[in-house]
Amino acid sequence: DAKTTQPNSMESNEEEPVHLPCNHSTISGTDYIHWYRQLPSQGPEYVIHGLTSNVNNRMASLAIAEDRKSSTLILHRATLRDAAVYYCILRDPISNFGNEKLTFGTGTRLTIIP
Amino acid sequence: NAGVTQTPKFRILKIGQSMTLQCTQDMNHNYMYWYRQDPGMGLKLIYYSVGAGITDKGEVPNGYNVSRSTTEDFPLRLELAAPSQTSVYFCASSNGGRQTNYGYTFGSGTRLTVV
Repeated sequence: DAKTTQPNSMESNEEEPVHLPCNHSTISGTDYIHWYRQLPSQGPEYVIHGLTSNVNNRMASLAIAEDRKSSTLILHRATLRDAAVYYCILRDPISNFGNEKLTFGTGTRLTIIP
Repeated sequence: NAGVTQTPKFRILKIGQSMTLQCTQDMNHNYMYWYRQDPGMGLKLIYYSVGAGITDKGEVPNGYNVSRSTTEDFPLRLELAAPSQTSVYFCASSNGGRQTNYGYTFGSGTRLTVV
């Protein structure tokens, strides 16, 4: 499985945008980039995913580099409730068919400063 | 819409005791998973299932067993509890397969302490 690299921790001020980076230099052409987050004392929750184009949803935006070797999760206006561990994960739906599983790293712990 | 429900939320076991962690989902998902998360670490896959009657090992299956008799339920069994199994256990489900416009849905976890 292709690996991802994320900073261990980041801080951001409340009500400011947050850019969470992820490097995935060994990404294959069929790997989708998925982001999950884990709030304190809760299970992970799906945030967003994409393949090549930038993606937006109600929670966040995902900016994918043109060479796909890196991506950035963007929280447009961070609130205290966004304090969590954010995981960047690669998924290959073709080679993983019949063996679907998510592989979690240690993620980025995001602290929001009031 | 309950999603993925795990019981119990907390449990303390003595070394050598057995227990079953329950997981049920109401989304008709084919794929179900058990993960464990040790303090300060990411999640590690214990077992997974691609449908009723089909299970397979993940990264850390030793000391655990699973069964999948229905689409809804995926219980995790600890036969002889050891201190190394102290962890938070998460169950998850997904549509799986070649579809990519989906995410995993996780339960709220079971915090297990073995003493």
